[in-house]
Amino acid sequence: KAGVTQTPRYLIKTRGQQVTLSCSPISGHRSVSWYQQTPGQGLQFLFEYFSETQRNKGNFPGRFSGRQFSNSRSEMNVSTLELGDSALYLCASSPNDRQGLDTYEQYFGPGTRLTVT
Amino acid sequence: AQSVTQPDIHITVSEGASLELRCNYSYGATPYLFWYVQSPGQGLQLLLKYFSGDTLVQGIKGFEAEFKRSQSSFNLRKPSVHWSDAAEYFCAVKPGYSTLTFGKGTMLLVSP
Repeated sequence: KAGVTQTPRYLIKTRGQQVTLSCSPISGHRSVSWYQQTPGQGLQFLFEYFSETQRNKGNFPGRFSGRQFSNSRSEMNVSTLELGDSALYLCASSPNDRQGLDTYEQYFGPGTRLTVT
Repeated sequence: AQSVTQPDIHITVSEGASLELRCNYSYGATPYLFWYVQSPGQGLQLLLKYFSGDTLVQGIKGFEAEFKRSQSSFNLRKPSVHWSDAAEYFCAVKPGYSTLTFGKGTMLLVSP
């Protein structure tokens, strides 16, 4: 099976612009989570989607939003970019077991490196 | 709120020597526990997990971890480190239906 893919891998944006990042989960995985990784704050949870519904949301401002499509692919959007949004954005997908229950095992993509200037 | 502490920011180990990376968590009940590894420019890879049962769990790449309830710890170990193990290691906890919380990470350097 192909792993989690994220596009683009690298992005440079200007303060005030908006950006959309894309994540394709492993085939069959219906849960997708997003994380922000920075040297100062480490890995911070952004949101989790399951079957097109946001299941959990981290402590980030409303400028950060996301969605999931019927094929489980997910996008996250950051509007009005700030310098502090420069980070590695990681997407992870998680399978369900045969009973449809969460396994809580997360498989991460390589990330999108966003630089805001 | 739950927290995860990895007290060592950097650790240097000689190739062939044993390794132990520490992880402590703060939560009332036993959460689900994980160790992930991140190589430069890569995403995170799951090494092992603990949900319940045997407190010594085996993972990939020769790693193991031991859950100690009395110490709220989940330390990662490897008997003999290889140069390819140099990477950053993250402990993570997931209490119940809450979200996955990561520690700040420990950077492992392997000296020849």
